[in-house]
Amino acid sequence: DIQLTQSPSFLSASVGDRVTITCRASQGISSSLAWYQQKPGKAPKLLIYAASTLQSGVPSRFSGSGSGTEFTLTISSLQPEDFATYYCQQLNNYPFGPGTKVEIK
Amino acid sequence: EVQLVESGGGLVQPGGSLRLSCAASGFTFSIYDMNWVRQAPGKGLEWVSYISSSSSSIYYAGSVKGRFTISRDNAKNSLYLQMNSLRDEDTAVYYCARDNVHTSMARDYWGQGTLVTVSS
Repeated sequence: DIQLTQSPSFLSASVGDRVTITCRASQGISSSLAWYQQKPGKAPKLLIYAASTLQSGVPSRFSGSGSGTEFTLTISSLQPEDFATYYCQQLNNYPFGPGTKVEIK
Repeated sequence: EVQLVESGGGLVQPGGSLRLSCAASGFTFSIYDMNWVRQAPGKGLEWVSYISSSSSSIYYAGSVKGRFTISRDNAKNSLYLQMNSLRDEDTAVYYCARDNVHTSMARDYWGQGTLVTVSS
């Protein structure tokens, strides 16, 4: 089975910061990766699919890149509503990464 | 508006059973593959089970295989999860989520979740 790891697991940042989260797959998965955002007590929200395609309605400050085994989610200028936990997920398979919690510095 | 509404959660003793339901509306349920995903308190997301639009393909996580059964009724726009032989570690919020071919099968809509607590 393909395993996903995320780094860092915890990130402390300020409003306006540029934030990058990395997701690594134990085997190559081409561009078959999605990113989700989850706020406390809420369901996950799809941000990006196919590694770099922004889901409809998601602000353009979010972007995704990568292919094969290494992927990144970037928030160009962190906003107060972006403090949440972010998960990657391999498409066409089912596991999620362990998550990255983004908190206010 | 796409809506997924889970129900059926609650408190159950270890070894007991529970049936979760997910009522879908606002889209043509019968053409979408569906999933159950759970989240234990304070933990990350764990995929539980998948069912294709016609129920021809069904998959389970190893942690629930042989104990949980996913099903759907396209005439009733509903998804189900029958959970038997429940264990303490099955305690979680259970979400239903839609796979969308237009998002490369990423899960584009999720329900609000229903809490299952397994405890004596």
